[in-house]
This record gives sequence, structure tokens and C-alpha cells, in this order.
Amino acid sequence: KAGVTQTPRYLIKTRGQQVTLSCSPISGHRSVSWYQQTPGQGLQFLFEYFSETQRNKGNFPGRFSGRQFSNSRSEMNVSTLELGDSALYLCASSMTRGTDTQYFGPGTRLTVL
Amino acid sequence: SQQGEEDPQALSIQEGENATMNCSYKTSINNLQWYRQNSGRGLVHLILIRSNEREKHSGRLRVTLDTSKKSSSLLITASRAADTASYFCATERGNQFYFGTGTSLTVIP
Repeated sequence: KAGVTQTPRYLIKTRGQQVTLSCSPISGHRSVSWYQQTPGQGLQFLFEYFSETQRNKGNFPGRFSGRQFSNSRSEMNVSTLELGDSALYLCASSMTRGTDTQYFGPGTRLTVL
Repeated sequence: SQQGEEDPQALSIQEGENATMNCSYKTSINNLQWYRQNSGRGLVHLILIRSNEREKHSGRLRVTLDTSKKSSSLLITASRAADTASYFCATERGNQFYFGTGTSLTVIP
């Protein structure tokens, strides 16, 4: 089976712009979670989608949003980018929710100038 | 915050030695998982231990869980240079995963 894929792998944006990141989960996986990783804050949970519905949301401002499509692919969007949004954004998929193992993609490295 | 904390933050050992890292967490959990991350890349799942288990083995990995102390440890035996990475514990509660701050392991050839 192909692993979790994320596109693009690298992205450079300027403050005020918006960005959309994409995640394709492992075939058959229905749960997709997004994380932000920075040196200072570590891995922070953004949100989780299951069956096209957002099931959990971390403590992030409304500028961060996401969605999941019927084929389980997911996108996350960050509007009005700030310098502090520079991070590695990781997507993880699992077959079901909760107790199942999460499989991570390679991440999208976002740099905001 | 329910985020776990790994200890030590950084660890440097010689190849062939054992590496032990610890994870402490704050609330009750359903399970605890350990992940490895090579520099700037995605996380790779290593092992999962459920709240009713006390010890689990997988190859050169040994994980223990003490729910009374809210702590877990990961032991890597006979370390190799390829084990150089960051190691994270993750606890699951309420269908959400909470990651620790990570231990950076360097194995010197």
C-alpha cells in the first residue's frame, strides 16, 4: 500500500497570503489528523476529520481550517498567514478513530516571510 | 495541557549501548504510543501499549507503562547509528492524540 502523501512538500509564502495543503491518506483509512510542528511548541494537534466531518479541533485560531472529501483526502487552509505559522505541517491517517495507530506523511514545510 | 513530556530532552550514546528515554503524562489514557522522527520528516510508529499492559517488546525495543505513576519508558537495546532520531510518546484520550516534547537521540558510530 502507498503511504500517506502530502503536497506540496515545501512552500514559501508571505505574510497575509493564504495557503492550502493537501493530504492523501493510506487507502482504506478514514480518519485524517493534522498537526503543526515547531521547535518551540513541539507537535500541536490541529484537527481531525472522519467520514468528511471534523470530529476534534485543537486550540488554533479560526484562520486554520480544513475539510475532508468523500475519498478521505483532506485539505487544510491557513488564511492571513503570520510569521509564526512557519512550521512543518504533518498529516496522519488511521483506519478508525482513537485507539488506532496513526501513519504520518512526510509533512509540508511552510515558511512565511 | 495533556501533553506528555519526554526525559531527557537529548541523549548521546555510543553505538552498541542501550538508550532509555522516559515519558510522563498528566491524565488517564487508553493507550500510549512511541514514534520516531528523523530530522524534518514524518513520524514513524514504533510500538503501542494499551493501558492494561505493563510491558511490550518489539525487536530491539522494550516499552513499559506504569499507569499509577503516569509514565512510560522506551528502551532501545544495542543501539545503531541509524537509531539517531527524535523519539516521541503520544497518549490517546477522547479520540485525540497528545504528543510529548520529544527526546533527541544521537548514536555515535
